[in-house]
Amino acid sequence: GQQLNQSPQSMFIQEGEDVSMNCTSSSIFNTWLWYKQDPGEGPVLLIALYKAGELTSNGRLTAQFGITRKDSFLNISASIPSDVGIYFCAARRINNYGQNFVFGPGTRLSVLP
Amino acid sequence: NAGVTQTPKFQVLKTGQSMTLQCAQDMNHNSMYWYRQDPGMGLRLIYYSASEGTTDKGEVPNGYNVSRLNKREFSLRLESAAPSQTSVYFCASRITGSNQPQHFGDGTRLSIL
Repeated sequence: GQQLNQSPQSMFIQEGEDVSMNCTSSSIFNTWLWYKQDPGEGPVLLIALYKAGELTSNGRLTAQFGITRKDSFLNISASIPSDVGIYFCAARRINNYGQNFVFGPGTRLSVLP
Repeated sequence: NAGVTQTPKFQVLKTGQSMTLQCAQDMNHNSMYWYRQDPGMGLRLIYYSASEGTTDKGEVPNGYNVSRLNKREFSLRLESAAPSQTSVYFCASRITGSNQPQHFGDGTRLSIL
């Protein structure tokens, strides 16, 4: 099936640092989403991207829909302890009415005080 | 403002036992989904329902059955639980026919002994 690759798999950063992570695929998608999952909870949507090249921000988070439509990037600026969690990307093809979204394996973020 | 509600939150079963996981959403969404989440892997789709009265297999349907009881509720049943089905199960919903993202419940943590 379709595969999304996320990198890095995990990262440890100091509080206050900026974070960058990405999601890539060999397939083209029309929608990219970024979710965050806290321990013991379900994924929560952070940012949705619907157009190639689109750059969208949500507070300290910024995500981009890659021009090739095969990738997406998420940046977090000035990290804080509550940024800890697993970040998942998800993607969908517009003609994929039934199958809907595929998910990456996640990037686990740890923020050190 | 409940969103997607899953019950139970935790469950331990013996091999061969049966169980039904419940999911309900109050957002008037057409589509509902069941995923499983295993360590190091992205969410994998088990079954989905694009509308009341319809269900379709996802990526990993074997060993599961589903029922779309009405627009609000979508249940997942394990007829004869196996240790390989130990996982965290997430239900999600969204508006059909759009690029709107999925909204997730908090998950059911299921252990099969």
